[in-house]
Amino acid sequence: GDSVTQMEGPVTLSEEAFLTINCTYTATGYPSLFWYVQYPGEGLQLLLKATKADDKGSNKGFEATYRKETTSFHLEKGSVQVSDSAVYFCALTTDSNYQLIWGAGTKLIIKP
Amino acid sequence: KAGVTQTPRYLIKTRGQQVTLSCSPISGHRSVSWYQQTPGQGLQFLFEYFSETQRNKGNFPGRFSGRQFSNSRSEMNVSTLELGDSALYLCASSRGRTSGGTQYFGPGTRLTVL
Repeated sequence: GDSVTQMEGPVTLSEEAFLTINCTYTATGYPSLFWYVQYPGEGLQLLLKATKADDKGSNKGFEATYRKETTSFHLEKGSVQVSDSAVYFCALTTDSNYQLIWGAGTKLIIKP
Repeated sequence: KAGVTQTPRYLIKTRGQQVTLSCSPISGHRSVSWYQQTPGQGLQFLFEYFSETQRNKGNFPGRFSGRQFSNSRSEMNVSTLELGDSALYLCASSRGRTSGGTQYFGPGTRLTVL
């Protein structure tokens, strides 16, 4: 079945460091890919998405590129801030299976 | 534009009781999905409703049920509560049912079963 695998956390970085959170997927259809973020005590917010191969989603300095050849959608940010501390979830949907399929989540801790 | 609202935000119940959670989607959104979030199992899909019909169901026992009303508001019900039902229950709404469509989440209902 469809699945998402993302790197285990927590990931601890210093402020202004470069961030990469790896995400790979398995899907029978042609998926759309998402990154959601959950700040402490809050619900999930869409961070960015991409719906076809080679699309790049971007928001708030975060970027991810839909790579069909490597079935990946890695999240990157050039310079993280303390306010980026949160849990990040990679997810997918397909036209045959509209539900969001989730990765396990990666907790990101940014130290000043 | 108001976001997705969920009530109540917190609930404490005892084993064997039943509970009803409510979700009001963003105005104009017709699809409502429910997810369960726990530290052990992560985020898992419960079910999805569109135009008052259940379109998809996750791998949960029949104790978990839901419905959608004509105004797109949705409720989910859990009967005969078990300790393992303690979780954050998240509701998400979207305008339609396309794969690339964005699902917008509410703040969740934190259910604790004692």
